[in-house]
Amino acid sequence: AQKITQTQPGMFVQEKEAVTLDCTYDTSDPSYGLFWYKQPSSGEMIFLIYQGSYDQQNATEGRYSLNFQKARKSANLVISASQLGDSAMYFCAMREGGYKLVFGAGTILRVKS
Amino acid sequence: SAVISQKPSRDICQRGTSLTIQCQVDSQVTMMFWYRQQPGQSLTLIATANQGSEATYESGFVIDKFPISRPNLTFSTLTVSNMSPEDSSIYLCSVLTGQGQSETQYFGPGTRLLVL
Repeated sequence: AQKITQTQPGMFVQEKEAVTLDCTYDTSDPSYGLFWYKQPSSGEMIFLIYQGSYDQQNATEGRYSLNFQKARKSANLVISASQLGDSAMYFCAMREGGYKLVFGAGTILRVKS
Repeated sequence: SAVISQKPSRDICQRGTSLTIQCQVDSQVTMMFWYRQQPGQSLTLIATANQGSEATYESGFVIDKFPISRPNLTFSTLTVSNMSPEDSSIYLCSVLTGQGQSETQYFGPGTRLLVL
């Protein structure tokens, strides 16, 4: 069974608007971590934000926030005030137990001017 | 955070040859990882490389095809051996930093490999 599901293959957002990228996960381990990465066309993987399973508050990093709903097993990424430079592939990933990261299929985000 | 560099950034190789990719980190890290990203796909872990021990390979990846070295806490190499066009991918080095729940994983810029 897939452990990380990103249901949106592609998304469009108007510049300066907010956008939510969906991610659901599946684990029975009480201790896990959820990550979001941005991959521009250059190919590098840029770390955006991290949420631990025991964290009480939703993680925020600048314009990025993680909407963590533990009971629903979802960890959606919210990007506020979208910029043209936000156009990229976005990956949700989970670490459970050990150190291995399992990635979702990714969502391509296109920001329109 | 960690600053990670990889060499080469990209290469075009002939089938049957081998390529060694280098990964350098600006600080000492215990765990380093090598991932592969095939065209249009997500990332898949190839192996975990710890200094002073043999690399641990994931299912579907073998040491003969992807030998890894980890001579010290800031450096690792991945060799893609006897290459075929199916090996055309981005290869990414990654390191684990921080402790406990605050552990974070950073990636290098990747090596784009095209095998003809």
